[in-house]
Amino acid sequence: EVQLVESGGGLVQPGRSLRLSCAASGFTFDDYAMHWVRQAPGKGLEWVSGISWNSGSIGYADSVKGRFTISRDNAKNSLYLQMNSLRAEDTALYYCAKCAGSGGSCYGDYWGQGTLVTVSS
Amino acid sequence: DIVMTQSPDSLAVSLGERATINCKSSQSVLYSSNNKNYLAWYQQKPGQPPKLLIYWASTRESGVPDRFSGSGSGTDFTLTISSLQAEDVAVYYCQQYYSTPGFTFGPGTKVDIK
Repeated sequence: EVQLVESGGGLVQPGRSLRLSCAASGFTFDDYAMHWVRQAPGKGLEWVSGISWNSGSIGYADSVKGRFTISRDNAKNSLYLQMNSLRAEDTALYYCAKCAGSGGSCYGDYWGQGTLVTVSS
Repeated sequence: DIVMTQSPDSLAVSLGERATINCKSSQSVLYSSNNKNYLAWYQQKPGQPPKLLIYWASTRESGVPDRFSGSGSGTDFTLTISSLQAEDVAVYYCQQYYSTPGFTFGPGTKVDIK
């Protein structure tokens, strides 16, 4: 059974940093691209960042480019999101999503339950 | 960037009746080399993550009831629930995955029981 478990969320002050993790199990992690998608309270889904199976292709939404860094450790079956210079508008539930393929053009066939990030003073 | 729009924003349908949701992309998501539309549909119920329903515009994910169907090509797509059930109350999102490495979602359509 595919499982994606996010962690690392919490309350953080504007301008500070946070690192999210996603622990994957139930599939061959290094065969698939992975993505982070967020959802602000009461709002829709927003793609944040994605990484190919071998970290060779990485992308970011314009709203987080230069502040967030995605990475993965295939030996640990884990996905990460380093979030720096956090802003109030980054407040959201952050989902880890498994791609149905190894590259960038993919849909998310499995999603975690999400980890909540609240940016507030 | 490809912009996705959906209509209507919300709809209320009687149990057993048909629900139709439209999705439009600002540019074609049909890849000519493989003739596939890079378009997916998700269902999100309150307090839950999105659940994949349809990919390649019309391929139903395993385990999804056959009352859910997707159609369309190029820039115009439709999700149809042929006979609405109480458990179908949710927000539905379309998503394009034509542009790499990321993807964009539509704003969502809320489906309720009339």
